Amino acid sequence: AQRVTQPEKLLSVFKGAPVELKCNYSYSGSPELFWYVQYSRQRLQLLLRHISRESIKGFTADLNKGETSFHLKKPFAQEEDSAMYYCALSRGGGSNYKLTFGKGTLLTVNP
Amino acid sequence: DGGITQSPKYLFRKEGQNVTLSCEQNLNHDAMYWYRQDPGQGLRLIYYSQIVNDFQKGDIAEGYSVSREKKESFPLTVTSAQKNPTAFYLCASSIRGIAGELFFGEGSRLTVL
Repeated sequence: AQRVTQPEKLLSVFKGAPVELKCNYSYSGSPELFWYVQYSRQRLQLLLRHISRESIKGFTADLNKGETSFHLKKPFAQEEDSAMYYCALSRGGGSNYKLTFGKGTLLTVNP
Repeated sequence: DGGITQSPKYLFRKEGQNVTLSCEQNLNHDAMYWYRQDPGQGLRLIYYSQIVNDFQKGDIAEGYSVSREKKESFPLTVTSAQKNPTAFYLCASSIRGIAGELFFGEGSRLTVL
């Protein structure tokens, strides 16, 4: 069974501080990992995926297979980063019928 | 505008009644999904469909039913058998074969009185 764990329900930082949202997973195969974000009164949307290795809005995430982690990081948080963040896992190889989400972390960036 | 439209946004129902939530997409996506979002629970998969006239149960399908008669539409019926139906329901779609890139609707909030 595949599982995604986000250990922090709430995370609060000050503007300009570094931020790290933790995500750990369990899956025996080769997973694909994603971060989704939901800003206030907006739709849930894809933020980034590990396979593309891109940086979106200053956020990066590295897949660490040894630690089974996919933490989301940003060196300098902005107030507009305040949102709910979900880590998600899919089986690789195009089997996108089962995207498993973590329970989410609510990030608040204080001025 | 292309996208996914869910209706209604808010719905109230009495216990014992069935209710159907609508989900329509004009993105020409093959795959469609229904998730339930509860505070502190994240998103849990109810049903998904990879192609017209075919669908599979997700992790919490009990008390729900779906149909996929058209590519654009994937309605969800919350039946009276669902023990805790009060929740926020999200519909999503994706290009078949593109793992993990889901496009979500704005959601429907169902409250059972």
